[in-house]
Formats: sequence, C-alpha cells, structure tokens
Amino acid sequence: EEQLVESGGDLVQPGGCLRLSCAGSGSTFSTHWMDWVRQAPGKGLEWVANINEDGNKKNYVDSVKGRFTISRDNAKKSLYLQMNDLRAEDTAVYYCARDLMGASCLWGQGILVTVSS
Amino acid sequence: QSVLTQPPSASGTPGQRVIISCFGSTSNIGSNTVSWFHQLPGTAPKLLIYSNNQRPSGVPDRFSGSKSGTSASLAINGLQSEDESDYYCAAWDGRLNVVVFGGGTKLTVL
Repeated sequence: EEQLVESGGDLVQPGGCLRLSCAGSGSTFSTHWMDWVRQAPGKGLEWVANINEDGNKKNYVDSVKGRFTISRDNAKKSLYLQMNDLRAEDTAVYYCARDLMGASCLWGQGILVTVSS
Repeated sequence: QSVLTQPPSASGTPGQRVIISCFGSTSNIGSNTVSWFHQLPGTAPKLLIYSNNQRPSGVPDRFSGSKSGTSASLAINGLQSEDESDYYCAAWDGRLNVVVFGGGTKLTVL
C-alpha cells in the first residue's frame, strides 16, 4: 500500500529554521503534483505550498512566501519543506499530500512543528 | 477567515440525509473543481469527493457531491454514527494561485 511519511518536526525558537521531509513509497511519486497543508491546533486546514512533477513550478500561500521553500527529489521519492524565520503562527501539524485535488489524493500522517521560546 | 465558507456545524439522526454547503467565488469554485475531505480527530484528512462529484474507490455511494455556479454541496444519505467527523471543501483559486479550503464543518450524529 502506498504511503507518505513525514519527518523533521520539532520544537524550534522563533526566528529559527526547520526542514520537513516527506518520503513516498509508491512508484508513481514522480508523476504527481505534491502539496504541503498545515493545521494549527484546534483549527482548520490551511494550504501552504505545492510543486509540480518536475519541480520547476511552485506556488505558496502569501504568509510563507520568502520564508518557506518547497522542493522534491524524485529519485529519492521525497518532498521537502525548508522553513526559515519561523513564527509562532507557523505552529501546526504539517501534512504532505499527493495529487491533493485529484483522484489519486493521498495524505501523510502529519508531523508537528512547534514554534515557541 | 477562510476563502470558502462552510457552516461550522451540522447534525442529523441515523438514517437521515444531511447536506453540507460550501460557498466560494468565481475565481475558485466558479472556475475550478471542488474536492471534499473528512477528518477524524487526531488523524489525517482523507479524500471523499474529487472533481465536484467523483468518489474514489472505497468511498460509499451514500456520499455524493455537486457544484452549481460558485457553490458546492456534499450530501450524505443514510447517516451513520461513523460519519461523525469534520468535513472540508477545497478548490484551486486561479486569482490567488493557491488552494483554498473551507473552514470545516463538524458533523454530529445525534
């Protein structure tokens, strides 16, 4: 069964940085757009960023532009989110998702990022 | 405040039909497809409906989606206790170049 597994979550101080990873297990990783979606404690879902199959098209929500960078390594079946200048409002569970708006949509189990001093 | 508007809560008794609405605008629902997700507490969201009204394999046909203009709906027929969950709509917004989500609807089975 295909799955996505996030890692890299941690407690970090404001202004700090963190790199999240998302490891895919299926053979179709390189054929889908990939997304990061986050959920602050007790809140709803918020889309963060996505990247196309080749990694040359990226989109970001305004609140993370200039601070977060999405990337992928298809050979390693991995998706990444480099998060710099972290703020308290970035505290959330971060999910990676494959083909978010399509028939092959698959979500990871999520990883907690806590930004606090 | 979410770009897509959903009622914060909905409820029904077992066997009833419940409809959850999702209101957007011409730049999102009005020009792109809608997906619906459900999420149990402490777990990851799961796809329920994609392309407005398509069910992925494994989703019971009690669940159906529809779209008209700038709004979409999720209908659940024959409500069951295990349907108690949070439900989210989502769509690509071509003006903002982002995926927008509704604020979520907490469904309670009475």
